[in-house]
Amino acid sequence: KQEVTQIPAALSVPEGENLVLNCSFTDSAIYNLQWFRQDPGKGLTSLLLIQSSQREQTSGRLNASLDKSSGRSTLYIAASQPGDSATYLCAVSGSGAGSYQLTFGKGTKLSVIP
Amino acid sequence: DGGITQSPKYLFRKEGQNVTLSCEQNLNHDAMYWYRQDPGQGLRLIYYSQIVNDFQKGDIAEGYSVSREKKESFPLTVTSAQKNPTAFYLCASSRGLVERDRSFYTFGSGTRLTVV
Repeated sequence: KQEVTQIPAALSVPEGENLVLNCSFTDSAIYNLQWFRQDPGKGLTSLLLIQSSQREQTSGRLNASLDKSSGRSTLYIAASQPGDSATYLCAVSGSGAGSYQLTFGKGTKLSVIP
Repeated sequence: DGGITQSPKYLFRKEGQNVTLSCEQNLNHDAMYWYRQDPGQGLRLIYYSQIVNDFQKGDIAEGYSVSREKKESFPLTVTSAQKNPTAFYLCASSRGLVERDRSFYTFGSGTRLTVV
């Protein structure tokens, strides 16, 4: 059964700092990996989606990488801002019938201090 | 604007009651999902539906029921058989039945259910 782990569980950084969030998964037979953002009491917003054949995706100050063979992904946030404060969730989907199910990590709660 | 609407935002249930959470989408998405989120935990899949009048159990379906009578609607009933229903419930949808299209998820804003 697929398991997704996110490290660290919480992170506090001063504004302007670059930071990296980590995600690992146990079964490398994934279809894709996604990073989501969740604000307190809210739903999820998709940030980046990396197909299994890709190595990275970029959107603005965000860059996500995928090393499928080692079961790892990182989310890099450049020049962090207080508005980046949220919980970041990593999720993977399997292939075939399993692709209907996203397996989520527990998230990393990020606080960016002004 | 297209999106997913979940209602109510907050719901209180007495012990032994059944309650129904609403989820409506106007994105013309074929697939819809219900997830449960507990504090400090990842989301866990309760049920999903690929097409109208069809749905499948996820990892934690016990104590829950769903229906999919219309493409745009996927209500979730939390029954009295669910022993620990207090949680945050999220509905999601994704377009198409082709594998690559399932990846593009849209989430609702959630319903927080509390047992009183």
